[in-house]
Amino acid sequence: EVQLVESGGGLVQPGGSLRLSCAASGFIFSNYHMNWVRQAPGKGLEWVSYITSGSSSIFYADSVRGRFIISRDNAKNSLHLQMNSLTDEDTAVYYCARGGRDHAEGAFDIWGQGTMVTVSS
Amino acid sequence: SYVLTQPPSVSVAPGKTARISCGETNIGSKVVHWYQQKPGQAPVLVIYYDTDRPSGIPERFSGSNSGKTASLTISRVEAGDEADYYCQVWDSSRDHLHWVFGGGTKLTVL
Repeated sequence: EVQLVESGGGLVQPGGSLRLSCAASGFIFSNYHMNWVRQAPGKGLEWVSYITSGSSSIFYADSVRGRFIISRDNAKNSLHLQMNSLTDEDTAVYYCARGGRDHAEGAFDIWGQGTMVTVSS
Repeated sequence: SYVLTQPPSVSVAPGKTARISCGETNIGSKVVHWYQQKPGQAPVLVIYYDTDRPSGIPERFSGSNSGKTASLTISRVEAGDEADYYCQVWDSSRDHLHWVFGGGTKLTVL
């Protein structure tokens, strides 16, 4: 079964850091571009970051650039998001999502169940 | 920045057709994907590359994209179609390439 499972969410104080992970299974992880998408409580979807299959290109949303770092380990079929300098505006459910194989504009066809990040003192 | 405009809500009676729009000045030149999200669940891809349906998505779901508007059409609407729907576009027009989601449309089945 093709699956993505996020972990690492939790409660963190403003200014703190958190590292999210996403474990992939059921497909050749190294063939696919990957993404992080978040959803604040009661709000819509917000794309956060993108990494190509071989990590050669990385993009960030303006709202997280300079604070978040996306990475992947193809040998371990895992995707990560290092989140630093967190503010209450980063409070959201964070989803990892599989992107395309050959094209950057490929759809997000597989999503994890999400992990909740709460930034609060 | 690139902004995709969706109506906040659409209501439709069972068995009728629902149309959800996604607007932007030049969206017809972009690739558009659509997602369905039910409460407490992760989004599910329902239309990709403007018009294609993933396996497992009913034929009742269709998409179009031209000019200033992309649309998701759901025919013979069922109670189970009630959900939030989001359009998505890859914006390569700026130095910082990025994905954009529309604000979402809540589909209510009357």
